[in-house]
Amino acid sequence: KNQVEQSPQSLIILEGKNCTLQCNYTVSPFSNLRWYKQDTGRGPVSLTIMTFSENTKSNGRYTATLDADTKQSSLHITASQLSDSASYICVVSANYGGSQGNLIFGKGTKLSVKP
Amino acid sequence: DAGVIQSPRHEVTEMGQEVTLRCKPISGHDYLFWYRQTMMRGLELLIYFNNNVPIDDSGMPEDRFSAKMPNASFSTLKIQPSEPRDSAVYFCASMVAFRWDTQYFGPGTRLTVL
Repeated sequence: KNQVEQSPQSLIILEGKNCTLQCNYTVSPFSNLRWYKQDTGRGPVSLTIMTFSENTKSNGRYTATLDADTKQSSLHITASQLSDSASYICVVSANYGGSQGNLIFGKGTKLSVKP
Repeated sequence: DAGVIQSPRHEVTEMGQEVTLRCKPISGHDYLFWYRQTMMRGLELLIYFNNNVPIDDSGMPEDRFSAKMPNASFSTLKIQPSEPRDSAVYFCASMVAFRWDTQYFGPGTRLTVL
């Protein structure tokens, strides 16, 4: 069964600290993996997209890694800011004949950055 | 561009009533997606369109749900009759074909069915 598991469910860190969010998946055939940031009351915003051949991708202070062998991804946030407080959702796409709708969503990690 | 536009932003209705959610995608985007988000289930894809044609509606929970895209700039998601378990935030998103980096979500419609 295709699944995406994220950990931890929630995380509280102090401003300026680094943190790492985890995403484990059992999705086949794998097409791509995305991390989204969702602020409270807003729609998700894409942070990174990685295909099978990519193992690292950065977007400012956000760095995503992908290990396709172990089917794990992580999102590392450097020098956290109060504005990083949000839910982070991992989404894996299963590519069936080019279909763009086979998306498996994680439940998200809720990050709170405290001053 | 104003981004993906959804209306209404909030909807409160009573069980059994018909609810219509609206979405205007970003101009030039040829894919449109409808998602539902709840605390229990997270984000779920309901249906998506390519060039106004429904491609995959396997995520639509029941026959009470229907979606249309009469033209490239407008889509609706209708629930008839609505039930309390339909309470959720419904998101619309659009993108350019095969360009996931162009996928943008609307602000969502928070639906409460009493």
